[in-house]
Amino acid sequence: GQQLNQSPQSMFIQEGEDVSMNCTSSSIFNTWLWYKQDPGEGPVLLIALYKAGELTSNGRLTAQFGITRKDSFLNISASIPSDVGIYFCAGQLPNRDDKIIFGKGTRLHILP
Amino acid sequence: DTAVSQTPKYLVTQMGNDKSIKCEQNLGHDTMYWYKQDSKKFLKIMFSYNNKELIINETVPNRFSPKSPDKAHLNLHINSLELGDSAVYFCASGLSGTDTQYFGPGTRLTVL
Repeated sequence: GQQLNQSPQSMFIQEGEDVSMNCTSSSIFNTWLWYKQDPGEGPVLLIALYKAGELTSNGRLTAQFGITRKDSFLNISASIPSDVGIYFCAGQLPNRDDKIIFGKGTRLHILP
Repeated sequence: DTAVSQTPKYLVTQMGNDKSIKCEQNLGHDTMYWYKQDSKKFLKIMFSYNNKELIINETVPNRFSPKSPDKAHLNLHINSLELGDSAVYFCASGLSGTDTQYFGPGTRLTVL
């Protein structure tokens, strides 16, 4: 079946550093979504991207929908302790009636 | 005010038992979903319902039976629980034709 390859699997960074993670697929997606999951909670939508090439920001977060429609990246600038969590990319395939496929997540750890 | 709520938050039970998880959303959405998140945090869709009608059924064992009494509720009943059913189950809701899904807090099911 269709898969999203999300990398890195985990990151250990110092507070204040910038973070970058990405997702790629062999399939074309209509929509790319980025979610964050805090421990013990459900995923929360951070950014939604709808057009190839689209670059969208949400505070310190920036995400882009790749030109080929097969990839997306998420950047976090000047990380803070509350950025810790699991970040998931997700995409909707064409003609799949609301079905969203999730990547395996990037675990972000911030070192004291 | 909780947008998507699930009960119970934790469920510990023995193999072979039958159990139900309930989900309610007060967002006025017409589509609801059940996802399973395994121990490696991989999120996989199980079912989606639109206006009480089953839309997506992702090769889930027929021991799992979703029921949607109305647009605001989607319950998940599991028969003859197995060890491999242990996971966190997330309910989500959204509007059909859009990609944004709002997740509940999850139900952690442990089968002993």
